[in-house]
Amino acid sequence: QSALTQPASMSGSPGQSITISCTGTSSDIGDYNSVSWYQQHPGKAPKLMIYDVNNRPSGVSNRFSGSKSGNTASLTISGLRAEDEADYYCSSYTSSSTLVFGGGTKLTVL
Amino acid sequence: EVQLLESGGGLVQPGGSLRLSCAASGFTVSTYAMNWVRQAPGKGLEWVSIISSSGGTTYYADSVKGRFTISRDNSKNTIYLQMNSLRAEDTAVYFCAKDRGNYVIQFDSWGQGTLVTVSS
Repeated sequence: QSALTQPASMSGSPGQSITISCTGTSSDIGDYNSVSWYQQHPGKAPKLMIYDVNNRPSGVSNRFSGSKSGNTASLTISGLRAEDEADYYCSSYTSSSTLVFGGGTKLTVL
Repeated sequence: EVQLLESGGGLVQPGGSLRLSCAASGFTVSTYAMNWVRQAPGKGLEWVSIISSSGGTTYYADSVKGRFTISRDNSKNTIYLQMNSLRAEDTAVYFCAKDRGNYVIQFDSWGQGTLVTVSS
């Protein structure tokens, strides 16, 4: 199972919005709504930010939102803040009953 | 409060074995599927394995299939990862991760990880 495709890096200024894409195939993202997004700060464990494409766990800011179209999922962060600077990973359930992650996107807040 | 505490990591020679443990508190592991996820130094996340709440279903990434075995001891609220025939490419921080449900493979709680280094 190949990793999902994410941009390696993205950047934005405080207050701006950015959208991170995550492209898979018809065997993962395209066929299942079990897409999640994780935020990871350096040296820390990942944190669940979005599940089932567009649902936020309790405690996650509503500045984070998710969507999906075809084989591509997206994470949008609005009103960028310095604390949003982190690595972001998408993941999807697959037709093999396993999980595949994206390669990760390093977000820099300028 | 949900807590996951991994242990058992360390330095091991290629071809060697290691068993990781993940002690859970704040919830009952028998209610949820549990997973292992690893992260090689400076690299991204890689899902490794899942065990269902009953323990009757397990799946593995192709990269570890036949070498790693996930198991659980509900009486100890602990899950394990037995790693055999270790390779240099298995070097990583291994995270224990709690499933949101029974086999949705979405992780709402993570441990802090334990480092496994495979080197001679």
